[in-house]
Amino acid sequence: QSVLTQPPSVSAAPGQKVTISCSGSSSNIGNNYVSWYQQLPGTAPKLLIYENDKRPSGIPDRFSGSKSGTSATLGITGLQTGDEADYYCATWDRKVFGGGTKLTVL
Amino acid sequence: EVQLVESGGGLVQSGGSLRLSCAASGFTFSHFWMSWVRQTPGKGLEWVATIKPDGSEKYYVDSVEGRFTISRDNAKNLLYLQMHSLRAEDTAVHYCAREWGSSFDCWGQGTLVTVSS
Repeated sequence: QSVLTQPPSVSAAPGQKVTISCSGSSSNIGNNYVSWYQQLPGTAPKLLIYENDKRPSGIPDRFSGSKSGTSATLGITGLQTGDEADYYCATWDRKVFGGGTKLTVL
Repeated sequence: EVQLVESGGGLVQSGGSLRLSCAASGFTFSHFWMSWVRQTPGKGLEWVATIKPDGSEKYYVDSVEGRFTISRDNAKNLLYLQMHSLRAEDTAVHYCAREWGSSFDCWGQGTLVTVSS
């Protein structure tokens, strides 16, 4: 069981917006950068967000990140069927990952 | 194009050893911190080990400290993970990953390590 808590699953319809939460504590999220990763079925994780809210080159602006206190949130707008994947948050200090959230696009 | 390609995974008996390799290309390998991250169905993603660009500093998750050794050959653009005293709970897909911007910005395709008891 991870020290970073994510909902096991979320779902939304195509075109809609979804948010995925990542809850931690002052010893992890509260004092460290948060990153987010997308893992499509059968593939390696892919960086979506780094340093709380920055997008690497090539990541569409449909994906956004934010952090407040000891929690972080990944937002995805304009949902597409290709966004169906597992999403993981992580903090940098001890490189801890959340348990992952499975996104279903209905 | 940045590319990381792992190899060396396989089936090994409990207590056995295995060495994983990761071939890096498309970037200046010697400039980057590198890590191994593993993934099990039950525990999700878990950081395993990290090595400084010049190899002078190494860090491990508690569960592998003393059993695993991370190393690198900057002349050959290779990252290694030597694993000893393997346990059933080490069964996982092992990824090598480049560190950048307080994140793992590039990942290999992974190599499966299965430890049989």
